Amino acid sequence: AQSVAQPEDQVNVAEGNPLTVKCTYSVSGNPYLFWYVQYPNRGLQFLLKYITGDNLVKGSYGFEAEFNKSQTSFHLKKPSALVSDSALYFCAVRDIGPTDSWGKLQFGAGTQVVVTP
Amino acid sequence: DAMVIQNPRYQVTQFGKPVTLSCSQTLNHNVMYWYQQKSSQAPKLLFHYYDKDFNNEADTPDNFQSRRPNTSFCFLDIRSPGLGDAAMYLCATSSDGTMQETQYFGPGTRLLVL
Repeated sequence: AQSVAQPEDQVNVAEGNPLTVKCTYSVSGNPYLFWYVQYPNRGLQFLLKYITGDNLVKGSYGFEAEFNKSQTSFHLKKPSALVSDSALYFCAVRDIGPTDSWGKLQFGAGTQVVVTP
Repeated sequence: DAMVIQNPRYQVTQFGKPVTLSCSQTLNHNVMYWYQQKSSQAPKLLFHYYDKDFNNEADTPDNFQSRRPNTSFCFLDIRSPGLGDAAMYLCATSSDGTMQETQYFGPGTRLLVL
């Protein structure tokens, strides 16, 4: 089965500094990788995904992620963090289901990002 | 704006009293999903509908049921809620179920069981 790991429970960063949230994956075949953000008492909001093509994926709210096949990583980055970026971030991989064309999302455990003024 | 809507946002029920959570979508997506999320943990898939075809996860308790009367609406029924069923319930949709398709989530319904 496909899986992702988020090694950090929490990331603390000062406003204006670069933000990185780490994610590593384990897949057989092509990886389909996603990042979501969740604000308190809200649903998950889609940020970006990697399917194929350029290793640098740009997404919503100034976020980007770099797909690194040799390191099996898909780290989320933002050049300059805002206090409003404080939230819970989930990395996810599409698992292979009964047929190769379908699969459910396997989420990482989540990383809490705290941006201080 | 096209979106996924969940009502109510907060639901309080009593131990053992059936409760229904609702989800609607204006995206005209074929697939609708229900997830359970506890205490900022990763969401756990309960089941999904591909059009009218129901797909239950192997470890979803029988206490949880779902209905999808049409493309736009999907309901989660908890027949006899226990204290352990208190959680955030998330509805999501995708155009189809293929590997590259994005799932779009609603705001969630937080269920409290007294």
